Amino acid sequence: SQTIHQWPATLVQPVGSPLSLECTVEGTSNPNLYWYRQAAGRGLQLLFYSVGIGQISSEVPQNLSASRPQDRQFILSSKKLLLSDSGFYLCAWSRPTYNEQFFGPGTRLTVL
Amino acid sequence: EDKVVQSPLSLVVHEGDTVTLNCSYEVTNFRSLLWYKQEKKAPTFLFMLTSSGIEKKSGRLSSILDKKELFSILNITATQTGDSAVYLCAANQGAQKLVFGQGTRLTINP
Repeated sequence: SQTIHQWPATLVQPVGSPLSLECTVEGTSNPNLYWYRQAAGRGLQLLFYSVGIGQISSEVPQNLSASRPQDRQFILSSKKLLLSDSGFYLCAWSRPTYNEQFFGPGTRLTVL
Repeated sequence: EDKVVQSPLSLVVHEGDTVTLNCSYEVTNFRSLLWYKQEKKAPTFLFMLTSSGIEKKSGRLSSILDKKELFSILNITATQTGDSAVYLCAANQGAQKLVFGQGTRLTINP
């Protein structure tokens, strides 16, 4: 069976500090991978998605970047965090030709 | 602009009641409509609907899609306190892109 991991679970960072959130998937190969952000009381906003190693599509211009150094690893980064980067970050995966996406446990980021 | 709108935003009912959650969508290249349940952290997948008028059912939950009127409903019968959650709908618009609604927060009181 497939599992998806995210870490850390919670993170408190000062404004201007760097960020690195990691997501890994087990039990499948060549998944599509996604990063979403969920603001309090809001739906999920797609930030990035990737269909293969080194292939990143950005959906929303912002202070964040994503990388996929390995098939089942997806990293969300920032060089300098802003207050507006606070939120709940979710990683998800899907099989390449399927619509269903499956979510990881999320990282709650607070920027102070 | 692609958008998905859910209603109501919040709903409080008593255990045993039946609830209907609504989702309307306007997205380009629509492929399918998905429902998720989010309790504390990760949304969990409930249904995917691709054809109009065909009900999908799982226990006390059921859902149907109307591609002419561009909406879907999620029904929950004989609600239980464990059904309390935020219910999210999302429209798939190809290339595995999902556009999410803002969610309906459902609270079931004993």
